[in-house]
Amino acid sequence: AQSVSQHNHHVILSEAASLELGCNYSYGGTVNLFWYVQYPGQHLQLLLKYFSGDPLVKGIKGFEAEFIKSKFSFNLRKPSVQWSDTAEYFCAVTSNSGYSTLTFGKGTMLLVSP
Amino acid sequence: IAGITQAPTSQILAAGRRMTLRCTQDMRHNAMYWYRQDLGLGLRLIHYSNTAGTTGKGEVPDGYSVSRANTDDFPLTLASAVPSQTSVYFCASSVQGGFTDTQYFGPGTRLTVL
Repeated sequence: AQSVSQHNHHVILSEAASLELGCNYSYGGTVNLFWYVQYPGQHLQLLLKYFSGDPLVKGIKGFEAEFIKSKFSFNLRKPSVQWSDTAEYFCAVTSNSGYSTLTFGKGTMLLVSP
Repeated sequence: IAGITQAPTSQILAAGRRMTLRCTQDMRHNAMYWYRQDLGLGLRLIHYSNTAGTTGKGEVPDGYSVSRANTDDFPLTLASAVPSQTSVYFCASSVQGGFTDTQYFGPGTRLTVL
């Protein structure tokens, strides 16, 4: 079975600070990796995803993530955060083990102070 | 195009009552999913359906049932609600349900069981 671990439950940053949110997964086979964002009071939206190819994936709103297979990691980064990035961020994985469902990490709440 | 709609937006329910959460998508996606979101636990899959007429159990199926009579609708029923089912419920859909699919989420239903 696959699982996802997000390193931080809460992160507090000032505007313009750089962001890196950690995500590790456990599954030895082929995986697809996702980062979703949930703004306050809203539903989940896809930030970016990795299926294959270039391990550095660029998403919406200036976010990017790097898939490092040897470390089973898919960390989310943004060079300069804005107050509007305040949200909860979820890492998720699917795998090629039969019919696959999406397994989520527990989420990281990011608070950006102006 | 509305995407995924869920009803009701929120509900307070007495323990022991029966409740059906509705989910409708207009994207003609084959696969649909129900998740519950609890603080500190992220999203956990309750049930899924990879095509009309078929359903499967997710990580936390106990106390819930689903049906998939057609492509568009995927209702979730709590036969006899208990306080531990207090949560935010999200419906999602994807094109085929394969492990390369991206899931799209509805706005959620906030359910409180007293």
